[in-house]
Amino acid sequence: DTEVTQTPKHLVMGMTNKKSLKCEQHMGHRAMYWYKQKAKKPPELMFVYSYEKLSINESVPSRFSPECPNSSLLNLHLHALQPEDSALYLCATGTGQETQYFGPGTRLLVL
Amino acid sequence: AQKVTQAQTEISVVEKEDVTLDCVYETRDTTYYLFWYKQPPSGELVFLIRRNSFDEQNEISGRYSWNFQKSTSSFNFTITASQVVDSAVYFCALSEGGGYNFGNEKLTFGTGTRLTIIP
Repeated sequence: DTEVTQTPKHLVMGMTNKKSLKCEQHMGHRAMYWYKQKAKKPPELMFVYSYEKLSINESVPSRFSPECPNSSLLNLHLHALQPEDSALYLCATGTGQETQYFGPGTRLLVL
Repeated sequence: AQKVTQAQTEISVVEKEDVTLDCVYETRDTTYYLFWYKQPPSGELVFLIRRNSFDEQNEISGRYSWNFQKSTSSFNFTITASQVVDSAVYFCALSEGGGYNFGNEKLTFGTGTRLTIIP
């Protein structure tokens, strides 16, 4: 069973829309991550939450807004995105230097 | 700065052949972790193995084996008797630090190797 889940699996949105990506984990991990992956590229780190506090923001544009309501949930709020933001968005969880476990991802298309 | 190089962009082999995926890394830290992940067409990154810098023992798991050599900064991955289900993109990754940077650790990924197993 996948212990990191992401919804929705696919999302199509216009540049004026507001949408949210959701990630839920049941592994008891206290670090959660958002990655962006363009086609034929490796994942790129966007944000890291540690004990529900934002610890790393990799200079991500403000049209991406992360939120960690509790230790099991991680959201990514999207607003006024650009077509170049179309990508696979991956959530991951981990325990520091231990392994990061990834969810199945959300494929986002911005029109 | 840390760096991971996967020089093989794409590899195709016929089913049942053995195949080795290369990974070379650079780091100034003496304590670090190395990983391999598999990404099938569905998109999910599947964890395969983690190795810390103090453990140079090679590992075998079924048809998979890993060869970690600090002397050459390499962490290569071999699939024996390949199967069509092994077709995927494989990423090697590096995480630095000695466990003191909880919440600040970063994975540096290589560019990935696309493996195609031909039936």
